[in-house]
Amino acid sequence: QKEVEQDPGPLSVPEGAIVSLNCTYSNSAFQYFMWYRQYSRKGPELLMYTYSSGNKEDGRFTAQVDKSSKYISLFIRDSQPSDSATYLCAMNVKGGGNKLTFGTGTQLKVEL
Amino acid sequence: GAGVSQSPSNKVTEKGKDVELRCDPISGHTALYWYRQSLGQGLEFLIYFQGNSAPDKSGLPSDRFSAERTGGSVSTLTIQRTQQEDSAVYLCASSFLDRQYEQYFGPGTRLTVT
Repeated sequence: QKEVEQDPGPLSVPEGAIVSLNCTYSNSAFQYFMWYRQYSRKGPELLMYTYSSGNKEDGRFTAQVDKSSKYISLFIRDSQPSDSATYLCAMNVKGGGNKLTFGTGTQLKVEL
Repeated sequence: GAGVSQSPSNKVTEKGKDVELRCDPISGHTALYWYRQSLGQGLEFLIYFQGNSAPDKSGLPSDRFSAERTGGSVSTLTIQRTQQEDSAVYLCASSFLDRQYEQYFGPGTRLTVT
């Protein structure tokens, strides 16, 4: 079993929809949780990071962490065609060598 | 400011040849990471450089892989005697030492071994 599980999709939604992207994890030592966006043939771009359980909002993006359930989510409001990309969750252990452990990514397509 | 840069962007090589991939991190970032992204595998950690400390090589898949970082800045990942299973996108990232959760990635080098 992988330490981080993420549904690969593809997920197709109409423009303006609210998108929910999720990851589950098994390592309770994970403390930092990140979301990256990756366009085709580009490097991953950091969207948000969170440390504690709860919600963190940045514009149209909200990251949610539930450590008791080992479940994290990224919500995208008013989705746009430009949001079409692969979304990767990543986690790391504080003091654990600084490497990030990634999910395999969810491919999102926002259609006009 | 300038982001992480990597070269070459694409590399096609024959099986058995050696390749060198280069990464130039963001200025001021003392932590540098190499990852590999294969189809269906997600991003896989390879190696981590932290300032002047010994690198964390725990993710290197075999002794054909090595990396160095000269002068605390530019890094080179070397793959010797390449195999077809080495075909992947090799990504470099950098961060401040105390903000390892904020890793910024370069565009990657797409390696194809024929």
